[in-house]
Amino acid sequence: EPEVTQTPSHQVTQMGQEVILRCVPISNHLYFYWYRQILGQKVEFLVSFYNNEISEKSEIFDDQFSVERPDGSNFTLKIRSTKLEDSAMYFCASRGTGGADTQYFGPGTRLTVL
Amino acid sequence: AQSVAQPEDQVNVAEGNPLTVKCTYSVSGNPYLFWYVQYPNRGLQFLLKYITGDNLVKGSYGFEAEFNKSQTSFHLKKPSALVSDSALYFCAVDRGSTLGRLYFGRGTQLTVWP
Repeated sequence: EPEVTQTPSHQVTQMGQEVILRCVPISNHLYFYWYRQILGQKVEFLVSFYNNEISEKSEIFDDQFSVERPDGSNFTLKIRSTKLEDSAMYFCASRGTGGADTQYFGPGTRLTVL
Repeated sequence: AQSVAQPEDQVNVAEGNPLTVKCTYSVSGNPYLFWYVQYPNRGLQFLLKYITGDNLVKGSYGFEAEFNKSQTSFHLKKPSALVSDSALYFCAVDRGSTLGRLYFGRGTQLTVWP
């Protein structure tokens, strides 16, 4: 069964450093998402991506964040200058088509900012 | 503002007993409703969804959920709980747009004891 994969599973970085989180969505999917979950809190939407551009972003997704689909398989989230409060589990998700199709989630990357 | 509430942080049931995990929402329009499950160190796994039609939807692993429009609820149920059902359960809502942004509840930890 196809699944969303994410690398690395755990990333530790120093405050102010740049990090790139990587995701490989399900191959025939068209919509891609990033969510995050700060420890003990709810899963929060960051951004959605369709047709090679951002389709929606939340207030969390400020200028420090960017997303890219550099080739036909990868989908990345970059945080330019990490802050302590960026420490969280980051989930990538993909969906086949619009409307009511199901989003499938990857296993997550745990980001720890020291 | 869109919101999803899971009023119970924890639900404990004995194996073989029925279980209910509650979810209510406040979302404009005709939303799509989802349940996901998260096992330790794993990503979010899709369980079931309600789009339209019959208010009772059936999903994976014997789970079902009942949509109640007047009460804006979407409670997850299972007639006979298993120890292996112990996990963290998330209710999520899509506003019904093509973009697919999900709003999540805080999650409910289900523990089924033998």
